Amino acid sequence: QQQVKQSPQSLIVQKGGISIINCAYENTAFDYFPWYQQFPGKGPALLIAIRPDVSEKKEGRFTISFNKSAKQFSLHIMDSQPGDSATYFCAASIASGTYKYIFGTGTRLKVLA
Amino acid sequence: NAGVTQTPKFRVLKTGQSMTLLCAQDMNHEYMYWYRQDPGMGLRLIHYSVGEGTTAKGEVPDGYNVSRLKKQNFLLGLESAAPSQTSVYFCASSYSGQGAREQFFGPGTRLTVL
Repeated sequence: QQQVKQSPQSLIVQKGGISIINCAYENTAFDYFPWYQQFPGKGPALLIAIRPDVSEKKEGRFTISFNKSAKQFSLHIMDSQPGDSATYFCAASIASGTYKYIFGTGTRLKVLA
Repeated sequence: NAGVTQTPKFRVLKTGQSMTLLCAQDMNHEYMYWYRQDPGMGLRLIHYSVGEGTTAKGEVPDGYNVSRLKKQNFLLGLESAAPSQTSVYFCASSYSGQGAREQFFGPGTRLTVL
């Protein structure tokens, strides 16, 4: 119930294409869904996040789509660039006092020039 | 403003040896976390702290101990290292309450146990 399942494990996209990464969860108590971006040799950094009261959130080329009934959310990267090549992690947390994250297993994205 | 720093960056241990990883943050954050990152496993929470002098277990606490004697520091200890503890370790920190929704990560420590 505490798991967050992420797919695909790896993704190769041509420059200018759309990258899509999917996550699914079971626990309906989750109320915050962030995406973290990690470049090689660096720590993860918050990219974008969404709460379940909205179905979509957009920040520049990055969009989160959220489907509450299906318990799924996804990250869309429009006009993907080589500089977007990184590992992306979805996560979920509960407003239970400590706000701990449960992370997905990560997706390694490579954008070809 | 250095953010979250971790010491050391790399370390090689022999089975049975002990070591301490140091995490420091200069953002006056209440909460601090230790994660391990393994291929195909994502980030898994080892221990966390919601304030100076407090610690709690995460998903994978066995074989590790932690201490938070000062608000800005969070130490992770391995008393008797095992090859299964070969991993990249990340420290993170956040504000409390709703501010905990964003965690700030350090650059990581790559640990190899032979």
